[in-house]
Amino acid sequence: KAGVTQTPRYLIKTRGQQVTLSCSPISGHRSVSWYQQTPGQGLQFLFEYFSETQRNKGNFPGRFSGRQFSNSRSEMNVSTLELGDSALYLCASSWTGTADTGELFFGEGSRLTVL
Amino acid sequence: GIQVEQSPPDLILQEGANSTLRCNFSDSVNNLQWFHQNPWGQLINLFYIPSGTKQNGRLSATTVATERYSLLYISSSQTTDSGVYFCAGHLNRDDKIIFGKGTRLHILP
Repeated sequence: KAGVTQTPRYLIKTRGQQVTLSCSPISGHRSVSWYQQTPGQGLQFLFEYFSETQRNKGNFPGRFSGRQFSNSRSEMNVSTLELGDSALYLCASSWTGTADTGELFFGEGSRLTVL
Repeated sequence: GIQVEQSPPDLILQEGANSTLRCNFSDSVNNLQWFHQNPWGQLINLFYIPSGTKQNGRLSATTVATERYSLLYISSSQTTDSGVYFCAGHLNRDDKIIFGKGTRLHILP
């Protein structure tokens, strides 16, 4: 079956713009989580959605937001982009997303460059 | 806060060598996983191993949850094993997932 699909794979924006990234989970998976990876901070958890509801949120400013649709596809949005938002954004899906059974499967990532 | 320490941070080995990567947690975690990040950035699942031992070909992993560590063994290394290896787990207290900083493995031909 198809894996986790992220679009776009690469994008370049300028400071102050906003960006929307998309993630389609593995069929049947109901949880989608997002992560930011930078050389300085490593992999950091952004937020998790389950059945269209945000279940958990990391320590990121309000400029970072997300949502999940009824088909489990998820989008994340970053507004008023800053240079420091340049990163690889990874999406993962899992069956339940709970602490008991949350094996994660990752997409290929969206690499964002902010100029 | 909760810390995940991976060691060693960097490892250079000759093809054919064996290696052991370690992941220590400062608190209890669930759903411990090991990933290999390929050169294009994708995290590839290696093991989902909350406890016990699993093997998959040349790779095996052991998690001792009561002692808060996990080990990843790579035997007979190949150049394609190069890359960054991450461990990650869900915190018990708030269900957030945390990653270690990774072990960068270089396998020389």
